[in-house]
Amino acid sequence: DAKTTQPNSMESNEEEPVHLPCNHSTISGTDYIHWYRQLPSQGPEYVIHGLTSNVNNRMASLAIAEDRKSSTLILHRATLRDAAVYYCILWGRDDKIIFGKGTRLHILP
Amino acid sequence: DVKVTQSSRYLVKRTGEKVFLECVQDMDHENMFWYRQDPGLGLRLIYFSYDVKMKEKGDIPEGYSVSREKKERFSLILESASTNQTSMYLCATIRAGGLMNTEAFFGQGTRLTVV
Repeated sequence: DAKTTQPNSMESNEEEPVHLPCNHSTISGTDYIHWYRQLPSQGPEYVIHGLTSNVNNRMASLAIAEDRKSSTLILHRATLRDAAVYYCILWGRDDKIIFGKGTRLHILP
Repeated sequence: DVKVTQSSRYLVKRTGEKVFLECVQDMDHENMFWYRQDPGLGLRLIYFSYDVKMKEKGDIPEGYSVSREKKERFSLILESASTNQTSMYLCATIRAGGLMNTEAFFGQGTRLTVV
């Protein structure tokens, strides 16, 4: 199974942008890159996904490297409510969604 | 709103008991998953199902079984609960067909304690 590597934790100040990195050097050509986040005491929720091109939605932006071996989730203006564990996932043809340990994001007021 | 409902938020069971964790979805999704989540280990896949009566082992199936008799319901069974199965259990669903361009929906989780 293709794997992802993320920092264990990151800190950011409130109202500043946050860049969460993910390495996935063994990604295959058909794997999609998904990001989920898990708020305290809740199940994970979808944030964004992409294949090759950068993507934007109301929650975040996803920047994908040209060789697709890494990606970055960008929160443009972090709030305290963005404090969560963020998971970068490779989603392939077998639909076996494998999570890594994620990055715990701390937001400082 | 889409819904993935897990039968219990908190559960306490005794060692050796047979435990059923239920997950029900109202989105008519084909694929359903069971994960467990432990501190420092992230989410680990136990079992998944592509369709009724179909099941596939995930990364840590030992000590667990599953049942998918109806499309909307996916049950996780602990045949004889042990203390090392104390964990948070999460159910997820996705739609089949164009799967890679869709999203997964999760339940709120069941925190199981085996004493």
